[in-house]
Amino acid sequence: DVKVTQSSRYLVKRTGEKVFLECVQDMDHENMFWYRQDPGLGLRLIYFSYDVKMKEKGDIPEGYSVSREKKERFSLILESASTNQTSMYLCASRPTAGNTGELFFGEGSRLTVL
Amino acid sequence: AQSVTQLGSHVSVSEGALVLLRCNYSSSVPPYLFWYVQYPNQGLQLLLKYTSAATLVKGINGFEAEFKKSETSFHLTKPSAHMSDAAEYFCAVSGGNTPLVFGKGTRLSVIA
Repeated sequence: DVKVTQSSRYLVKRTGEKVFLECVQDMDHENMFWYRQDPGLGLRLIYFSYDVKMKEKGDIPEGYSVSREKKERFSLILESASTNQTSMYLCASRPTAGNTGELFFGEGSRLTVL
Repeated sequence: AQSVTQLGSHVSVSEGALVLLRCNYSSSVPPYLFWYVQYPNQGLQLLLKYTSAATLVKGINGFEAEFKKSETSFHLTKPSAHMSDAAEYFCAVSGGNTPLVFGKGTRLSVIA
């Protein structure tokens, strides 16, 4: 089975702190994605990566950055956390571009910024 | 570009009744379509997917969906609801090598 592991299920941070959300997949997938989920808004794409050291902005990249130094790991970084970044963050991966597009998701990281 | 509209943010059915969750899509290329389910405090799990083969797609837990190109729809159905079906359901569309675009979700409640 594909396994996508997000390092922290629940985090509480203070405004202005730097926050790292880590995601690791164990199936040698090329593509990785970060979404945020908010009630009534569904899932919105923050950033994605089709290969190591590559990154692309999604629909809501403001206030976020990402890092993909190794194929299996995709990190989401909040340089200076703000209360409007309180949300559920979901990491996902898939084998390659050009396939059916099915994503495999982690369990999510629920971030609260005080 | 792709987009998804899910009609109804909350649907409530009685146990044993038909479940119908509606999804309409827009895509500039032949779409791949998905339904995902999310149980409380968990990630998303794939229910079923349409990838240009059979238009009637069967998924896990007794769910199925029919791709109707003329109506740009991909509605999710289950003949008989079970209490364990209570969850949030997301419809999503992809152009294949593009990121998935998700709808806003429909919360399904099942009443005993």
